[in-house]
Amino acid sequence: NAGVTQTPKFQVLKTGQSMTLQCAQDMNHEYMSWYRQDPGMGLRLIHYSVGAGITDQGEVPNGYNVSRSTTEDFPLRLLSAAPSQTSVYFCASSSPGQGVTEAFFGQGTRLTVV
Amino acid sequence: ELKVEQNPLFLSMQEGKNYTIYCNYSTTSDRLYWYRQDPGKSLESLFVLLSNGAVKQEGRLMASLDTKARLSTLHITAAVHDLSATYFCAVDSSLRGGATNKLIFGTGTLLAVQP
Repeated sequence: NAGVTQTPKFQVLKTGQSMTLQCAQDMNHEYMSWYRQDPGMGLRLIHYSVGAGITDQGEVPNGYNVSRSTTEDFPLRLLSAAPSQTSVYFCASSSPGQGVTEAFFGQGTRLTVV
Repeated sequence: ELKVEQNPLFLSMQEGKNYTIYCNYSTTSDRLYWYRQDPGKSLESLFVLLSNGAVKQEGRLMASLDTKARLSTLHITAAVHDLSATYFCAVDSSLRGGATNKLIFGTGTLLAVQP
């Protein structure tokens, strides 16, 4: 079972470069999110999506773009990388509902911007 | 703005001892999650708490939720080394009920269980 798959696992960028972090899920989940994890700060929500074609900003959206053209994929784009974006990035997916609906997380992408 | 505070940030305990991690949040929410993270790994779901008074147990871990006090606790009973990890609580930021996947996380508690 693949679950939530993130690529790449590690990436080093130079300041000003652009790149896309990929996230794919095979559980037919409607909801997908991106978080960044920094030491001592827990995880912070960057962007999220409640379905194909629908995205919105989270706590720390500046410097990141997202789009959701399919249910399965939710890529995160850095247009011009900055050292402040050095972090570990996690993608998550879940189903909506009133019951027990936890978020499932990918393995993470460790990004270093030099 | 929803804020989630966790304490302690670091907990060093001996095997066999009991301890509690606290998670306070600032506004109403009807669902709270506990996750475990091992070094360099992803987050693993431990508990989903949906209502006031909810209590869930798995092995040596027990989680509870008091929505009136906006407090959740994760109690560790007779700790063993395998429980060493970082534990996060997270609150769904939806004000309308139901899951939204818009989670606000606490800063995490690094638990180190010493033999």
